Amino acid sequence: KAGVTQTPRYLIKTRGQQVTLSCSPISGHRSVSWYQQTPGQGLQFLFEYFSETQRNKGNFPGRFSGRQFSNSRSEMNVSTLELGDSALYLCASSLDHSGRLTGELFFGEGSRLTVL
Amino acid sequence: GNSVTQMEGPVTLSEEAFLTINCTYTATGYPSLFWYVQYPGEGLQLLLKATKADDKGSNKGFEATYRKETTSFHLEKGSVQVSDSAVYFCALSGALTGANSKLTFGKGITLSVRP
Repeated sequence: KAGVTQTPRYLIKTRGQQVTLSCSPISGHRSVSWYQQTPGQGLQFLFEYFSETQRNKGNFPGRFSGRQFSNSRSEMNVSTLELGDSALYLCASSLDHSGRLTGELFFGEGSRLTVL
Repeated sequence: GNSVTQMEGPVTLSEEAFLTINCTYTATGYPSLFWYVQYPGEGLQLLLKATKADDKGSNKGFEATYRKETTSFHLEKGSVQVSDSAVYFCALSGALTGANSKLTFGKGITLSVRP
């Protein structure tokens, strides 16, 4: 069974640009969540999608947005990039049979964004 | 709100040494607790979990017990190997919101094991 796939793995952008990251969850997983990982702040929750709806959101500005498609694939977008957005962005998928998850997330290898 | 506190790192041990990584948490209700591991160049992997007080999670020789009285979930291994070198994250998922894929992570601690 293929794992969580994130693309691109590495990218470099300049301030003010926007970026879109993609995540394909494990087949059958309906929940996709996104995390930002930085040396200073560690892992911080961005948002979670289930059945194409944002179900939970972290404390990030509106420049950070996401969506989920009918096949559970997800994208996140960051507009008007700032230097502080440089980070590893991790996508995770999980099963959700009853609406109550167990926290068992399956992570991708991440997309490393560098903002110059 | 929820929070997870891990001991400061990094930690360097010799092979076959005993490992303890401390983790304490603050949460309302009855969260589930997790240890995730991140090997170099890879994404996070679930190492073990415990969903209620006094549960012991175990995997690959690692163990952690959910201690509600001390709000702790310390990770232990009796004899570490070079292949255990990685970053270890303690995490919890909220029990009240219903959106339990929102994990709160500790800062992580880097473990290096010398041959």
